[in-house]
Amino acid sequence: AQSVTQLDSHVSVSEGTPVLLRCNYSSSYSPSLFWYVQHPNKGLQLLLKYTSAATLVKGINGFEAEFKKSETSFHLTKPSAHMSDAAEYFCVVRPDTGGFKTIFGAGTRLFVKA
Amino acid sequence: NAGVMQNPRHLVRRRGQEARLRCSPVKGHSHVYWYRQLPEEGLKFMVYLQKENIIDESGMPKERFSAEFPKEGPSILRIQQVVRGDSAAYFCASSPGTGGFNQPQHFGDGTRLSIL
Repeated sequence: AQSVTQLDSHVSVSEGTPVLLRCNYSSSYSPSLFWYVQHPNKGLQLLLKYTSAATLVKGINGFEAEFKKSETSFHLTKPSAHMSDAAEYFCVVRPDTGGFKTIFGAGTRLFVKA
Repeated sequence: NAGVMQNPRHLVRRRGQEARLRCSPVKGHSHVYWYRQLPEEGLKFMVYLQKENIIDESGMPKERFSAEFPKEGPSILRIQQVVRGDSAAYFCASSPGTGGFNQPQHFGDGTRLSIL
């Protein structure tokens, strides 16, 4: 069975400090992995995706994520947080089973302090 | 901006009424997905449709909920005889029909459904 676990429901950082949002997945096959961001009362915006090319994936707004198969992890990082990064972040897995079903993590809410 | 358009943004219904949520996908996208988001939770898959076909409705409640994606016009998520537990944000996403399973989905801003 496929699943996604976001290890922290809330993360709080100070502006200018690094961000780490953790995600572990379980998949029987080689999955595609995505990170989305959701600002209040808005839809989800794609930050980046991993699709079996380079294991270090760079996304928009300075975010990047590293796929580690041995650890079944796909953690999201950013070197320096901005106030505008405060939002909800979702790790998403799409198993490589030929279908289109998508599994969302429960989300991590990022707070950025001035 | 020809992104995914959902309307209405907010919908209030009384218990027992019907709710109709509309979704126009990105131009050229032939795959539509509906998700439900309860407060403080992630998105839960409901249904996946292609034009005139329901491909996967495994996340859809067996009763009162239905979805369609006609040849012309938007996709519709219909909830009959709404109950308080249907209060949630409903998101639509679309993706192109080509490029395989690793194509990301483009999301609309959602419809917030409130049941009085």
